[in-house]
Amino acid sequence: DTAVSQTPKYLVTQMGNDKSIKCEQNLGHDTMYWYKQDSKKFLKIMFSYNNKELIINETVPNRFSPKSPDKAHLNLHINSLELGDSVVYFCASSQLKGGLTKNIQYFGAGTRLSVL
Amino acid sequence: SQQGEEDPQALSIQEGENATMNCSYKTSINNLQWYRQNSGRGLVHLILIRSNEREKHSGRLRVTLDTSKKSSSLLITASRAADTASYFCATDGFNFNKFYFGSGTKLNVKP
Repeated sequence: DTAVSQTPKYLVTQMGNDKSIKCEQNLGHDTMYWYKQDSKKFLKIMFSYNNKELIINETVPNRFSPKSPDKAHLNLHINSLELGDSVVYFCASSQLKGGLTKNIQYFGAGTRLSVL
Repeated sequence: SQQGEEDPQALSIQEGENATMNCSYKTSINNLQWYRQNSGRGLVHLILIRSNEREKHSGRLRVTLDTSKKSSSLLITASRAADTASYFCATDGFNFNKFYFGSGTKLNVKP
């Protein structure tokens, strides 16, 4: 009963391919995120969806397209994969509340993408 | 940019010692959070401190916040080998939807 689960955990693919990473949360949260973590462990937000609506898009190349079919799912599709896309991608969720929001983020275990 | 920056980048101590790591950020915030990341895993929330708070405790964790210096510190007392992980601060920069992380402090606690 993992709170935020993403699949696959490892993804090895060839340059130029298209791939998807899936994320699901069972916490009932209304907001989901995609982050990327580089080899120096720097963690950076890519996208955020609130109630299936895109609210943050951090100037990510349009080869990356998030899709949220419902509040519990946020998938990341990557077209024309490049060598530089080889990082770890993390999905996260949180519940935004009115007033003094805490916005504590719950993370998945990560997907390590290797583009050859 | 808004991102938090942790210092030091790496810290190695003996079990039982205290570990202190620092975080600096650049713009005003609502909250600051600390997260832990074990090797090969996702981040786990440890503690949140609001901008109007100066100190907060949770078990062996003590967090301080100095908004005038735009800095925070995380103290882990009586460290254990299981505390070995990377520790990240996250700031929200007045945007509740968006958090900025740094590259973390890698803590190694030797048994």
